[in-house]
Amino acid sequence: QSVLTQPPSVSATPGQRVTISCSGSSSNIGNNYVSWYQQLPGTAPKLLIYDNNKRPSGIPDRFSGSKSGTSATLGITGLQTGDEADYYCVTWDSSLSAVVFGGGTKLTVL
Amino acid sequence: EVQLVESGGGLVKPGESLRLSCAASGFTFSSYSMNWVRQAPGKGLEWVSIISSTSSSYIFYADSVKGRFTISRDNAKNSLYLQMNSLRAEDTAVYYCARDLMGAAPSWGQGTLVTVSS
Repeated sequence: QSVLTQPPSVSATPGQRVTISCSGSSSNIGNNYVSWYQQLPGTAPKLLIYDNNKRPSGIPDRFSGSKSGTSATLGITGLQTGDEADYYCVTWDSSLSAVVFGGGTKLTVL
Repeated sequence: EVQLVESGGGLVKPGESLRLSCAASGFTFSSYSMNWVRQAPGKGLEWVSIISSTSSSYIFYADSVKGRFTISRDNAKNSLYLQMNSLRAEDTAVYYCARDLMGAAPSWGQGTLVTVSS
């Protein structure tokens, strides 16, 4: 059972917008920055968002991040078939003194 | 180019030990905290441990490995290690070393597979 709760799966059609939620508590999301990773099958995770809403260089602005209270959200617009992947939120948990990942969300682009 | 290359994975029996290594290049290794993250077959990412840049500031572990795993580093050799003792079937996973996990420019290795089975 992950400390951070993500929906197991989401789906949408090409061109649409999808959001992936990540719910935590005051000891993690509520008081620490959130990052988001994309993992394609058989590959290492790739950073999409850091510090709640910042994109590393090379990440298109189709990807966005936001945080409100103890929840964070990853948004993806203009969905492409290449966006099919697993997505993970991650942050520091001050009570556990540990890095915590969400359980992951599988995005299917129909 | 930043590179992280893990090694040391393999097949071991429950209760046995294994030492993973991660060779770093392309950046100033001694300036970064380093992590181990694992992923069981078909499962999500699970953070394992973190060590500060100089080892002396902080070391933290996931509850699932506390008391069994030991993280260490040798900045002179640009290397990160994970000593895994009393291995269990549930430790079976691909183990990644990762730099700057929640920063602006993280790097991950390609992973090394650890299989614990009798």
